[in-house]
Amino acid sequence: AQTVTQSQPEMSVQEAETVTLSCTYDTSESDYYLFWYKQPPSRQMILVIRQEAYKQQNATENRFSVNFQKAAKSFSLKISDSQLGDAAMYFCAYRAYSNYQLIWGAGTKLIIKP
Amino acid sequence: NAGVTQTPKFRVLKTGQSMTLLCAQDMNHEYMYWYRQDPGMGLRLIHYSVGEGTTAKGEVPDGYNVSRLKKQNFLLGLESAAPSQTSVYFCASSSRVRGDTQYFGPGTRLTVL
Repeated sequence: AQTVTQSQPEMSVQEAETVTLSCTYDTSESDYYLFWYKQPPSRQMILVIRQEAYKQQNATENRFSVNFQKAAKSFSLKISDSQLGDAAMYFCAYRAYSNYQLIWGAGTKLIIKP
Repeated sequence: NAGVTQTPKFRVLKTGQSMTLLCAQDMNHEYMYWYRQDPGMGLRLIHYSVGEGTTAKGEVPDGYNVSRLKKQNFLLGLESAAPSQTSVYFCASSSRVRGDTQYFGPGTRLTVL
């Protein structure tokens, strides 16, 4: 069975600094997608970044980038120049190429210290 | 362009009551999903639909029914609510393109007393 693990229930970072959130997953599939979603207090689930497993290049979106290590089944999210608006729950999710279902991690609460 | 909308936003039910949650999307997406989110856990898939008139079970389907009579709408029903169904419910949609991103509604907070 596919699983997604986020080992950090909570992380804190000083405003303007860099923080990395960890995610590992377990799968026997070779083709899949990985996602990071952000959930602020408003509850809205917002896509931050996505990665196709067949792509070796790490995805980036402005201040957000990932470190995708396929052999290690690791998919961490790096947030540079942290801003107060980045405070939220962050969820890592996995989807096999052959499946519709997103498998979710338990989430990491990110606190930004002013 | 409203994206994915859900009604209602909040609801309190008594055990045994029934209700229907409505999800609507205006992105012409083929696929729609219902998830529940419980404290300390990620989302879990309840049911999904790959097209009008078709539905399928997800990870936690028991106690729920769904219908997709129109492409833009996906209804989630609770026939006899139980306290274990207290949760936040999210609807999502995506296109049929492989690996397309799922777009989420704002969620419905349901409390069953």
